[in-house]
Amino acid sequence: KQEVTQIPAALSVPEGENLVLNCSFTDSAIYNLQWFRQDPGKGLTSLLLIQSSQREQTSGRLNASLDKSSGRSTLYIAASQPGDSATYLCAVRRRRDDKIIFGKGTRLHILP
Amino acid sequence: ETGVTQTPRHLVMGMTNKKSLKCEQHLGHNAMYWYKQSAKKPLELMFVYNFKEQTENNSVPSRFSPECPNSSHLFLHLHTLQPEDSALYLCASSQDQSVTQYFGPGTRLLVL
Repeated sequence: KQEVTQIPAALSVPEGENLVLNCSFTDSAIYNLQWFRQDPGKGLTSLLLIQSSQREQTSGRLNASLDKSSGRSTLYIAASQPGDSATYLCAVRRRRDDKIIFGKGTRLHILP
Repeated sequence: ETGVTQTPRHLVMGMTNKKSLKCEQHLGHNAMYWYKQSAKKPLELMFVYNFKEQTENNSVPSRFSPECPNSSHLFLHLHTLQPEDSALYLCASSQDQSVTQYFGPGTRLLVL
């Protein structure tokens, strides 16, 4: 059974700091891993998609890494801004049945 | 603007009502998805359609009935729902089932 765990569940950091969000998954047989952002009351916004053959993806101040062997991914946010405040979700697509499994998310609050 | 729209944005219905949620994507994608997001729970995938054909049904109760008349439109027909079905229902689309998904804003459903 594929489980996706995100730690911490909530995080508050002062503006300008660099931070790391963690995602772990139990079954390493995945097609890809995706990071999303969700603002309160809104749908999900895809941030980064990492294919199973890739080690990392970068977009602006965001960098996501993938280590399949250890079942871990991290989302690194550089120079955090108040606008980064949101819930960040990690999801994997597993090979066995092509299902997408989401973590519960990390609620991030950037303090002005 | 994500290119994926959902209507209505909010819906309140009684347990004996019949209603439908609509999703439309303007991205030329071939795959569409319905997700359920309950409070304090991970996002749950409900249905997947690829080229108008249902490819996945995650043991969803029959009181939820999806319909995909074409690759751009996806419906979720609701009847005799329960209060525990109250949640945010998100629609997503992707070019195919192995790449980034784009989400709509969701329909917030309250069942009384």
